[in-house]
Amino acid sequence: AQSVTQLGSHVSVSEGALVLLRCNYSSSVPPYLFWYVQYPNQGLQLLLKYTSAATLVKGINGFEAEFKKSETSFHLTKPSAHMSDAAEYFCAVSDASGTYKYIFGTGTRLKVLA
Amino acid sequence: GAGVSQSPSNKVTEKGKDVELRCDPISGHTALYWYRQSLGQGLEFLIYFQGNSAPDKSGLPSDRFSAERTGGSVSTLTIQRTQQEDSAVYLCASSYDRGTDTQYFGPGTRLTVL
Repeated sequence: AQSVTQLGSHVSVSEGALVLLRCNYSSSVPPYLFWYVQYPNQGLQLLLKYTSAATLVKGINGFEAEFKKSETSFHLTKPSAHMSDAAEYFCAVSDASGTYKYIFGTGTRLKVLA
Repeated sequence: GAGVSQSPSNKVTEKGKDVELRCDPISGHTALYWYRQSLGQGLEFLIYFQGNSAPDKSGLPSDRFSAERTGGSVSTLTIQRTQQEDSAVYLCASSYDRGTDTQYFGPGTRLTVL
């Protein structure tokens, strides 16, 4: 069965500092991987997705993620944090068994300190 | 264009009552997913529709939960005899098709069972 692990339920960074949110997956088939962001009382917004094209994926708001098959990782990074980045971030793998439902990690709440 | 919409945005009900949650997917999207977001369980898949059929209902937690989709568009999630553990945010997502297509999420319905 596929699964996703997000290390660190809470991450704090200073404004302007590097953001690194970790995601590891397990999948028996080549995965499709996603990062979503959720602002308070809102739905999920897609940041970026990996679907077996380039391993370095660029998304919105300056975020990017690198697919590393050898490490089964898909970490999310942003060079310089902004106050508006404070939100909860979810990594997800798409179940390639046929329905492509998402299997989510437990989420990481990002706090940006002034 | 319009995104995924859900109604109501908030629902407070008494234990034992039935509730209906509605999802209007993006026009033309054939795939529709329901997820539940709760403090104890994180984000979990409930049911998947392709057109009007539901080939994957594996995430429905009990037979009190049911869903239907009509006209390949609107979907209704029904919870009968609600329990306090049903309190959660119910999210709907749609995609043009399954597979690599991105799922677009609605804002969710926050259900509180007293």
